[in-house]
Amino acid sequence: VQLLESGGGLVQPGGSLRLSCGVSGINVMNSDMSWVRQAPGKRLEWVSYIQASGPDTYYADSVKGRFSISRDASKNTLYLQMSSLRAEDTAVYYCVQGHFIIWGQGTQVTVSS
Amino acid sequence: DVVLTQSPLSLPVTLGQPASISCRSSQSLVYSDGYSYLTWFQERPGQPPRRLIYQASIRDSGVPDRFSGTESGTDFTLKISGVEAEDVGVYYCMQVRHWPWTFGQGTKVEIK
Repeated sequence: VQLLESGGGLVQPGGSLRLSCGVSGINVMNSDMSWVRQAPGKRLEWVSYIQASGPDTYYADSVKGRFSISRDASKNTLYLQMSSLRAEDTAVYYCVQGHFIIWGQGTQVTVSS
Repeated sequence: DVVLTQSPLSLPVTLGQPASISCRSSQSLVYSDGYSYLTWFQERPGQPPRRLIYQASIRDSGVPDRFSGTESGTDFTLKISGVEAEDVGVYYCMQVRHWPWTFGQGTKVEIK
């Protein structure tokens, strides 16, 4: 199983960004998936979760209403749509499979003017 | 939200000596199946986190048996029976019993 994140970069406060996580070795639709982030010098922070084979999604309070997790069966890809970005969203974002066994290498998101 | 409080935050250890990290939860992490949903991770510099222990005491495949997890109520402990150089890094506990899932602050293990 491999996870490859992409889509990170520099964005201005208030802007939007969509992160992608290409999944190989498993079917993204049949697996619990999460996003976890780590700001510079800070602890790990769970961001969002989507349930295997179901519609249930969950979010950290800090991103609720601004971020949206989804997946595409045809591309076997997980997404994190981020909007109304703030400086405090600056972090490395990791795509994580299942119960946190498999992690991607992460993608850097920087929110700054 | 469930608060996980780790101690110590910094842990200098002599090679070959044991190490112990505490993680105290503000709420019970026991689910209806009887398991506590507390996970331990190791984060080495420049690498994504690695899961070591899940459900408080079950060691993941490939994790050296010098790592062990124990629990007593809402107090959880990660023990390293004899620290090796490759164990340097930051260790996190995480609870997946209550939404939102939360991490502890992290404990930095270094060699004296």
